[in-house]
Amino acid sequence: DVKVTQSSRYLVKRTGEKVFLECVQDMDHENMFWYRQDPGLGLRLIYFSYDVKMKEKGDIPEGYSVSREKKERFSLILESASTNQTSMYLCASSRGTTYNSPLHFGNGTRLTVT
Amino acid sequence: QQQVKQSPQSLIVQKGGISIINCAYENTAFDYFPWYQQFPGKGPALLIAIRPDVSEKKEGRFTISFNKSAKQFSLHIMDSQPGDSATYFCAARAGGSYIPTFGRGTSLIVHP
Repeated sequence: DVKVTQSSRYLVKRTGEKVFLECVQDMDHENMFWYRQDPGLGLRLIYFSYDVKMKEKGDIPEGYSVSREKKERFSLILESASTNQTSMYLCASSRGTTYNSPLHFGNGTRLTVT
Repeated sequence: QQQVKQSPQSLIVQKGGISIINCAYENTAFDYFPWYQQFPGKGPALLIAIRPDVSEKKEGRFTISFNKSAKQFSLHIMDSQPGDSATYFCAARAGGSYIPTFGRGTSLIVHP
């Protein structure tokens, strides 16, 4: 069974801090994604990666960056956290571009920026 | 703009009733339509998916109905149970793409 593990369940940070959210998947998936989930706005894609060291901006990349140095690990970085980045962050992975490759999500990191 | 519009935003159903969630899309390049189910404290997980070459797909109490000409698809949950209480997301993906476009989600509560 695919497992996507997010390192922190809850995180509280101060405005201006640099924040790292870590995600690891154990199924050798090529694709990895970072979403944020806010009530009424659904799942919004921040960044995705289709290979090691490759990254593409999603719909809301401003204020975020990512790093993928190893296939199994995808990190989301908030360069200078702001209160409007308080949200639930979800990492996901999927296998290549095969037709029926679903996204497998982690259980999320709830980030609060004060 | 929303490429996949989902309604309603919230839904309350009595146990044993039918829950219906609707989605509409504009992009005719979409050719794969999954539904994800998210329980509180968990990430979304694939529930059921359909391709546009069929009009209906059923898995247990869950059925997707697909209307290609209207560019609409819906999830029906028959005999809804309290354990079905969750947030449901419809999604659509274009051929050759590995990035789904999600609807905004429907919070379903099934009362016992």
